[in-house]
Amino acid sequence: DADVTQTPRNRITKTGKRIMLECSQTKGHDRMYWYRQDPGLGLRLIYYSFDVKDINKGEISDGYSVSRQAQAKFSLSLESAIPNQTALYFCATSDAGQGNTEAFFGQGTRLTVV
Amino acid sequence: GQNIDQPTEMTATEGAIVQINCTYQTSGFNGLFWYQQHAGEAPTFLSYNVLDGLEEKGRFSSFLSRSKGYSYLLLKELQMKDSASYLCAPRDGGYNKLIFGAGTRLAVHP
Repeated sequence: DADVTQTPRNRITKTGKRIMLECSQTKGHDRMYWYRQDPGLGLRLIYYSFDVKDINKGEISDGYSVSRQAQAKFSLSLESAIPNQTALYFCATSDAGQGNTEAFFGQGTRLTVV
Repeated sequence: GQNIDQPTEMTATEGAIVQINCTYQTSGFNGLFWYQQHAGEAPTFLSYNVLDGLEEKGRFSSFLSRSKGYSYLLLKELQMKDSASYLCAPRDGGYNKLIFGAGTRLAVHP
């Protein structure tokens, strides 16, 4: 089983619909992140959470919200999806600390808004 | 804020050596990561530098100069499977969040 699991893996939704992307991890990490990836733009940080009571906006949080339901679960919601939110979304986790706390990524969710 | 600059694309020949450069500006600094990402797949960790100098790890090495805001990833004995995007990711000094550059797409040809 994967250490970081994203569901769904693929989703097509209509403009204006609410959609939730879910992420769960078995790494025991405190820190979790949501990124989106568009061609030529790399990974852009949407939201991040350093523990269950800590939620922070990233570079591009408008149009998104998150919920950290437990240490192992971090979900991303699009309240009213729009076509320019079509992208590949990645969840990631990392340990706390100052050293080599590499991030571990889920396999991604490919979202298409039509 | 953060600013990360990498070349968009590079090409190289199988068996050769390639150097991918990254310059960055961050609000504070707490280490720099390099990740590899094959098309449509999740990024995977390659290397981490926090002190100046070269870190070697098999065919891959990474260099850091904190005073210049500069890092490079060196790939030796290139293989076809090294065709991927390479992402430079400095970690800021404040909240320690990880910010990624747009990545360098490397194409290795025979």
